[in-house]
Amino acid sequence: GQQVMQIPQYQHVQEGEDFTTYCNSSTTLSNIQWYKQRPGGHPVFLIQLVKSGEVKKQKRLTFQFGEAKKNSSLHITATQTTDVGTYFCAAPRVNYQLIWGAGTKLIIKP
Amino acid sequence: NAGVTQTPKFRVLKTGQSMTLLCAQDMNHEYMYWYRQDPGMGLRLIHYSVGEGTTAKGEVPDGYNVSRLKKQNFLLGLESAAPSQTSVYFCASTLRVEVPEAFFGQGTRLTVV
Repeated sequence: GQQVMQIPQYQHVQEGEDFTTYCNSSTTLSNIQWYKQRPGGHPVFLIQLVKSGEVKKQKRLTFQFGEAKKNSSLHITATQTTDVGTYFCAAPRVNYQLIWGAGTKLIIKP
Repeated sequence: NAGVTQTPKFRVLKTGQSMTLLCAQDMNHEYMYWYRQDPGMGLRLIHYSVGEGTTAKGEVPDGYNVSRLKKQNFLLGLESAAPSQTSVYFCASTLRVEVPEAFFGQGTRLTVV
C-alpha cells in the first residue's frame, strides 16, 4: 500500500548544530504536513506544503516539498533545547486518511 | 475552547477486561480518528469517522470497535483487552478534507497486564 518513508529514525546533535529529516513517497502526494511531538506530548501541526517545489520558513525551521511532490524535508538551523522531540511527516491518502512517516527523533547531546 | 479531549489519560487493564476510551471535540470537526502509537512505529490508524453515524476501519482495526453517535464524540472500545494492545492511544479530528490539519488529544496511556 501507499507508504511514506521517513529518515533517519534518530538524530543526535550538539546544541547549535543543524538537523534535517526527510520523507519520501513512491507516489505523488497532493500535499504533505509536518508535525512535532514533544516527549510525553501529542503531535502538534507545524505546516502544510501543497505546491511543487514549495519552500516555507518558520523562524529556524525550513520546510521543502520536492518538484515531483514525492519528497519533503524539514531542516532546523542551530538547534535549541526547545527543538527536542519527534518530527513526523504525514500525507493524505484515499478515504480521508493520513499516512504517517515513522518520525525522526531529535536528541540534543549533553 | 478545549479542542480535543480524551478520557481517561491513563489506565491499566487485566487481560480480557473491556474498556471504552472517549474522545470529545468542540470544534465542529467532521472527521475524527483513533490512532495508536508504539515506540519506533509512528502513528497507526485504528478506525476513523467522516461524520456522525459513520465509521470505517483503518490499518489496525482488529480487537477494537468504535461508535460516533454524536458529531462531537468518538468512542473507542476494547472488548477483550490483550497485552498487544498496550500502547498510547491518540484521538484526532480535522475540519474537512480541504483543511486537513489534524488536532490531537492529549493521549491515553493503556497498559494491559
